Amino acid sequence: TQLLEQSPQFLSIQEGENLTVYCNSSSVFSSLQWYRQEPGEGPVLLVTVVTGGEVKKLKRLTFQFGDARKDSSLHITAAQPGDTGLYLCAGVYPGTYKYIFGTGTRLKVLA
Amino acid sequence: DTGVSQDPRHKITKRGQNVTFRCDPISEHNRLYWYRQTLGQGPEFLTYFQNEAQLEKSRLLSDRFSAERPKGSFSTLEIQRTEQGDSAMYLCAGGSDAWGEQYFGPGTRLTVT
Repeated sequence: TQLLEQSPQFLSIQEGENLTVYCNSSSVFSSLQWYRQEPGEGPVLLVTVVTGGEVKKLKRLTFQFGDARKDSSLHITAAQPGDTGLYLCAGVYPGTYKYIFGTGTRLKVLA
Repeated sequence: DTGVSQDPRHKITKRGQNVTFRCDPISEHNRLYWYRQTLGQGPEFLTYFQNEAQLEKSRLLSDRFSAERPKGSFSTLEIQRTEQGDSAMYLCAGGSDAWGEQYFGPGTRLTVT
């Protein structure tokens, strides 16, 4: 069974703090995506990473794809209450169209 | 707004009834995915279309589930003889990028009583 493990599952921090969310698998991905989802809505795509070792920045968010393309991290600098939500990673394995989603990290940023 | 719409947004049905959901991606989306998401979990892959061809289907999908994309534009997901365990959010996503980026609709929340 292909699994994508995310950690931590829950995170509650104060505004202005930094945080990192991890996404790990035992298998190699063709590509990996990060999403943010708010209650009652569909996930919103944040970034796609494709190349091992790739780093992408989106304002205060930094995404890294592991060298071996088995893991990824999302780092948020100076978190704001608007960052609150469910963060999901999703990967697709070579030779398949099937996306596997992680279990998610529920982030709450307190003002 | 991703441009992907789903209808209805909410559906309440009694056990044993059939339900059908519709997804309308934007015209550029040659890829279309269906997912199911239960509370506290990430989306679970159900099926994938490239244009009108259904190229992959989850083994988790029972024979009660069927999906179509007849003209490579909108898609429908039908659940026959619904069970309480089918209660979930059903999400549709479209995409056209070579790396499979997905743009999700708002979902259809199904409640089976």
